[in-house]
Amino acid sequence: KAGVTQTPRYLIKTRGQQVTLSCSPISGHRSVSWYQQTPGQGLQFLFEYFSETQRNKGNFPGRFSGRQFSNSRSEMNVSTLELGDSALYLCASSPEAGEGNEQFFGPGTRLTVL
Amino acid sequence: AQKVTQAQTEISVVEKEDVTLDCVYETRDTTYYLFWYKQPPSGELVFLIRRNSFDEQNEISGRYSWNFQKSTSSFNFTITASQVVDSAVYFCALRTLNAGNMLTFGGGTRLMVKP
Repeated sequence: KAGVTQTPRYLIKTRGQQVTLSCSPISGHRSVSWYQQTPGQGLQFLFEYFSETQRNKGNFPGRFSGRQFSNSRSEMNVSTLELGDSALYLCASSPEAGEGNEQFFGPGTRLTVL
Repeated sequence: AQKVTQAQTEISVVEKEDVTLDCVYETRDTTYYLFWYKQPPSGELVFLIRRNSFDEQNEISGRYSWNFQKSTSSFNFTITASQVVDSAVYFCALRTLNAGNMLTFGGGTRLMVKP
């Protein structure tokens, strides 16, 4: 089975722009979660989607949004980029919601905001 | 609220030494799951182990072993006979039953194994 894929792998944007990141989960997985990783704040949960519905949301401003499509692929969008949004964005997929399921992570998208 | 603390930010050992990475967690939930992930320089988080709150059995997988103690809210990870390839950042994470798939991560421990 192919693993979790994320595109693009690297991205450079300037302040004020918006960006869309994409995540394709492992085939058959219906839950997709997004995390932001920065040197200062570490790994922080952004949101989780399951069956096209947002199940959980972390403590991030409304500039961060996401969606999930019927094929379980997910996108996250960041509008009005700020310098502090520079980070590694990781996507994780899981077969089902909750319980003890492991989450499998993709390679991440490294976003640099200039 | 949940919290995971990895007090060791960086550890350096010489190859073949044993090393233990500490993890302490906080949660009021009685049902929860604990995880360890490895993050090599490539950036991808690699799943190592999952433990649920009802299973305090220690586990060994090759050179890796895990010690889960509810009494001290700790879930420590030991690498025996470390190798250079073990160099990475290791994260401990917690998920509670009612939080869907949301993981709360510790700050990570950077392990450097020198030849």
